[in-house]
Amino acid sequence: AQSVTQLDSQVPVFEEAPVELRCNYSSSVSVYLFWYVQYPNQGLQLLLKYLSGSTLVKGINGFEAEFNKSQTSFHLRKPSVHISDTAEYFCAVSEETSGSRLTFGEGTQLTVNP
Amino acid sequence: KAGVTQTPRYLIKTRGQQVTLSCSPISGHRSVSWYQQTPGQGLQFLFEYFSETQRNKGNFPGRFSGRQFSNSRSEMNVSTLELGDSALYLCASSLVPGAHNEQFFGPGTRLTVL
Repeated sequence: AQSVTQLDSQVPVFEEAPVELRCNYSSSVSVYLFWYVQYPNQGLQLLLKYLSGSTLVKGINGFEAEFNKSQTSFHLRKPSVHISDTAEYFCAVSEETSGSRLTFGEGTQLTVNP
Repeated sequence: KAGVTQTPRYLIKTRGQQVTLSCSPISGHRSVSWYQQTPGQGLQFLFEYFSETQRNKGNFPGRFSGRQFSNSRSEMNVSTLELGDSALYLCASSLVPGAHNEQFFGPGTRLTVL
């Protein structure tokens, strides 16, 4: 069975600073990887996904992530954050044999301070 | 195109009661999944429906059930409510089932059990 670990539960940064949110996964089969963002009192919004091909994936709002198969990681990065990026971020994995089922990490609360 | 809608948005029940939550997927989407989100357990997969059939089920007791109608709308039911069932219940839809398919989440139903 797959599992996802988000290495930081909270990440505080200053506005315009770069940020990296770390995600590691474990699975015995090939996986697809996703990052979602959740703003207060809202559902989840997809930031980006890795299905195959280039290991560097670009998403919405200036975010990108790099898939590293040897390190089983899928870290999320943004070169310069804004106050509006304050939210909770979830890394998720799915397996071909599990249909649409997503397994989520515990989440990372990103707080951007002025 | 309208997004995933969930009703009601907020619900307060007492222990022992039962509750039914509703989810209308994006028009044309035929796969619906449900997730429970709590501070302690995070986001956990409940079940997935496609063509009115449950395709996948998470590790939840039998008190949690669901169904899907011919128009792809889905409902989930929780019987004999417990305090621990207090959570945000999220519904997600996709065109068809598949680990690589993007899922679109609704805003959730916040259930409070007193």
